[in-house]
Amino acid sequence: DGGITQSPKYLFRKEGQNVTLSCEQNLNHDAMYWYRQDPGQGLRLIYYSQIVNDFQKGDIAEGYSVSREKKESFPLTVTSAQKNPTAFYLCASSIDTTGGEQYFGPGTRLTVT
Amino acid sequence: RKEVEQDPGPFNVPEGATVAFNCTYSNSASQSFFWYRQDCRKEPKLLMSVYSSGNEDGRFTAQLNRASQYISLLIRDSKLSDSATYLCVVRHPGTYKYIFGTGTRLKVLA
Repeated sequence: DGGITQSPKYLFRKEGQNVTLSCEQNLNHDAMYWYRQDPGQGLRLIYYSQIVNDFQKGDIAEGYSVSREKKESFPLTVTSAQKNPTAFYLCASSIDTTGGEQYFGPGTRLTVT
Repeated sequence: RKEVEQDPGPFNVPEGATVAFNCTYSNSASQSFFWYRQDCRKEPKLLMSVYSSGNEDGRFTAQLNRASQYISLLIRDSKLSDSATYLCVVRHPGTYKYIFGTGTRLKVLA
């Protein structure tokens, strides 16, 4: 059963702590993306990766870091430097970065207090 | 001006009605267009890609108007289960960027 999984579904952290969100796909897609969604706003791109061991900053990368050591996995770390980390985080993949549809994981809702 | 603009709605329509949404985009070189559906507190799910010739999938029809730089989504015979937010997505050619609209909310009423 192919798809994208994200864990956990809900995550609570105290301010000042780093937290890592998991994203795994078994679609054999080359490209993977992280977005954040805030209420009433569109999705905003945090980071994307075209291929293993390569990733690029998106529009709002400050305070976040990623790695792409395996094709299937693209974890996102929300660091204490991120000013407003509470949001809905969505991971997506597409067959490559030159065109075609994106498919999304179920998302992780992060709350930082 | 936003790169992708949508009327936020909500569009409140009775069951069985036909409803249409438009989405305008600013980059005339854009080549890939999509409609996604997002339910409350869930991930966006691909509804359909939008091709130059237009495309239809059951009760859903998508059209592209390059001259006026907009795409449209038509839903016929609305069902209660169609209630959701519909996101317009535009991809710039040769780039990694998918630009998302903020969505149009649809409520289908019994």
